[in-house]
Amino acid sequence: LAKTTQPISMDSYEGQEVNITCSHNNIATNDYITWYQQFPSQGPRFIIQGYKTKVTNEVASLFIPADRKSSTLSLPRVSLSDTAVYYCLVGDHGPGAGSYQLTFGKGTKLSVIP
Amino acid sequence: DAGVTQSPTHLIKTRGQQVTLRCSPKSGHDTVSWYQQALGQGPQFIFQYYEEEERQRGNFPDRFSGHQFPNYSSELNVNALLLGDSALYLCASSRFAQGNYSPLHFGNGTRLTVT
Repeated sequence: LAKTTQPISMDSYEGQEVNITCSHNNIATNDYITWYQQFPSQGPRFIIQGYKTKVTNEVASLFIPADRKSSTLSLPRVSLSDTAVYYCLVGDHGPGAGSYQLTFGKGTKLSVIP
Repeated sequence: DAGVTQSPTHLIKTRGQQVTLRCSPKSGHDTVSWYQQALGQGPQFIFQYYEEEERQRGNFPDRFSGHQFPNYSSELNVNALLLGDSALYLCASSRFAQGNYSPLHFGNGTRLTVT
């Protein structure tokens, strides 16, 4: 299972763009990169998923370099409500995959300051 | 369209007792995974159920067992509770046949306190 490394915490002012980088040096060929957001006393919520290059949706962008050994979650113009823990996960979600275990690290605690 | 629902939301048990937690997956999902999240830690994978069978298991003792019903709902059972079992227990559902794009949908968990 590919392990991930993220900063433990980050602070940002409201309105700024926040970039959280995740390292996953031993990512496998079939692995996808997925980011989740978690508020206190709630379950994690899916943000974005990608395999390579760039993926964008209505809430975030995900940048993945060609070697796929890292990825960067970009949150544009954060607000106070974006204060949460962000998890980067790497795994093969496919049916019949050798392991479906998604390994969560401790995540990155993002604090947005007014 | 209901998301993942878990019951109960909170539970207090005494050491040595047994507990059953329940989960209903998101509509259209057929796979259920259970996670344990201790305070300040990321969720840890317990096991996954698909077609009423345990398909994957994390590093948890046999005291942790589960079941999946024909309607895809699931139960997590923990026997001989220890103080260290106090945690938020999360259920996540997904679609097994969705290929490599099958993000997990989590419920808000059951907070278990063992005294």
